[in-house]
Amino acid sequence: GDQVKQSPSALSLQEGTNSALRCNFSIATTTVQWFLQNPRGSLMNLFYLVPGTKENGRLKSTFNSKESYSTLHIRDAQLEDSGTYFCAAENTGNYKYVFGAGTRLKVIA
Amino acid sequence: EAAVTQSPRNKVAVTGGKVTLSCNQTNNHNNMYWYRQDTGHGLRLIHYSYGAGSTEKGDIPDGYKASRPSQENFSLILELATPSQTSVYFCASGDWDRGFEQYFGPGTRLTVL
Repeated sequence: GDQVKQSPSALSLQEGTNSALRCNFSIATTTVQWFLQNPRGSLMNLFYLVPGTKENGRLKSTFNSKESYSTLHIRDAQLEDSGTYFCAAENTGNYKYVFGAGTRLKVIA
Repeated sequence: EAAVTQSPRNKVAVTGGKVTLSCNQTNNHNNMYWYRQDTGHGLRLIHYSYGAGSTEKGDIPDGYKASRPSQENFSLILELATPSQTSVYFCASGDWDRGFEQYFGPGTRLTVL
């Protein structure tokens, strides 16, 4: 089965609303990364997390290692937030990251 | 300026031909990675390296070789390209002092006809 499962797979948001993306892990992991792939295909680093919470502007992410999940909260969604969000979990001990399949987000005016 | 660069950015190859994708990083990171991205699969790890002279198999290494001649450069080699290797390829670098946080290049779109 999927080692890193993202939900939802796709999402449409009205501009100005809030939402949460989720990543569930079935592997032992100590660090998580979140990326945004923009429509041009570039991967931008959003968060690098050990267990805990980080916030950056309208984005906030939490990594709960005991319950094996991470969330990415988007507040006051803007058109430029559109793209595909990926989470990646480091497989403990071999320094390899396993990626989820992504959440495709479309923000509409 | 961009710290991880890839060349070429686009490549069309013929079945059975040899393809080399190149990656250069100026982050002075020890680790470098090659991934491919296909619809519905996210990114999957092909090969990675712990430093100059080292190459390790990732999760989907079949049909690919890698070469790490220096700290800065990491190449992905397709000796006999097949249409199933049509994909977008991403290179990344990372280092243990940041928990191997990964920084990605812009990607190479490869089409094998």
